[in-house]
Amino acid sequence: GQNIDQPTEMTATEGAIVQINCTYQTSGFNGLFWYQQHAGEAPTFLSYNVLDGLEEKGRFSSFLSRSKGYSYLLLKELQMKDSASYLCAVRDIQAGTALIFGKGTTLSVSS
Amino acid sequence: GAVVSQHPSRVICKSGTSVKIECRSLDFQATTMFWYRQFPKKSLMLMATSNEGSKATYEQGVEKDKFLINHASLTLSTLTVTSAHPEDSSFYICSAIPVLAGMTDTQYFGPGTRLTVL
Repeated sequence: GQNIDQPTEMTATEGAIVQINCTYQTSGFNGLFWYQQHAGEAPTFLSYNVLDGLEEKGRFSSFLSRSKGYSYLLLKELQMKDSASYLCAVRDIQAGTALIFGKGTTLSVSS
Repeated sequence: GAVVSQHPSRVICKSGTSVKIECRSLDFQATTMFWYRQFPKKSLMLMATSNEGSKATYEQGVEKDKFLINHASLTLSTLTVTSAHPEDSSFYICSAIPVLAGMTDTQYFGPGTRLTVL
C-alpha cells in the first residue's frame, strides 16, 4: 500500500523561508505533486517532480529524492497569503493517474 | 486555462433525498475525472475515478450504488449521492486531467461542493 507523511502544522513569519517535508512509501512511484489549499477552497497545483532534484518556480521550489522516498516544498519570502494547507500527493503506477494525498500541512504565516 | 467548475457550490438537503453534483472542465476536454471527499481538517480521500464512456472505478469502501457517477461527455461528470444521510455531509471535490496533459497528467481541481444533510 501507500503511506504519505507530512507534519500537521507549521508556523513562520513574513519574509522567512519554510520547508515542508513529505515522506512516502509506494511500490510503483510515478510522480509527486504539491498542492496548496486555502480553507474551504479547492487545491491548486504548485509543482510536480518525477526525477530526483530541485524544481524551482518563483518563490516555491520542490525537491525529490526517490531513493529516500522524500520530498520537500520550499517557500521563500513568505507572505501572509501563503497561510494555507499544503498537500503532498503521490502517483503510483498501479493506480494509473489517480493521486494519493497526504493529510496536509497547515502553514500559518504571521507578521 | 485548465478551469474546472462545480455546481452547486453549496447544497442542503433532507435525509433520504438524492443530490446531484456536476463537474465541468470549461476550457479543456478530460477523459478522466476524479471525485474526492474531504472532511474538516482532513485530507482528500479519493472516492472514484470517472472515465468518459465507461463505468467508474470506485475505491475500496465506497459504495457504488450510493455514489452514482456518470461521465457523459469529455467535459462533464456528475456525482449523485443517493438516499443521503447526515454522515454524508462533507466537501466533495472533483478534478480533471486534460486530454493533452502530456507526461505530467496534472489534475486540476474544481472549487468543491459543500453538502449538508439534515
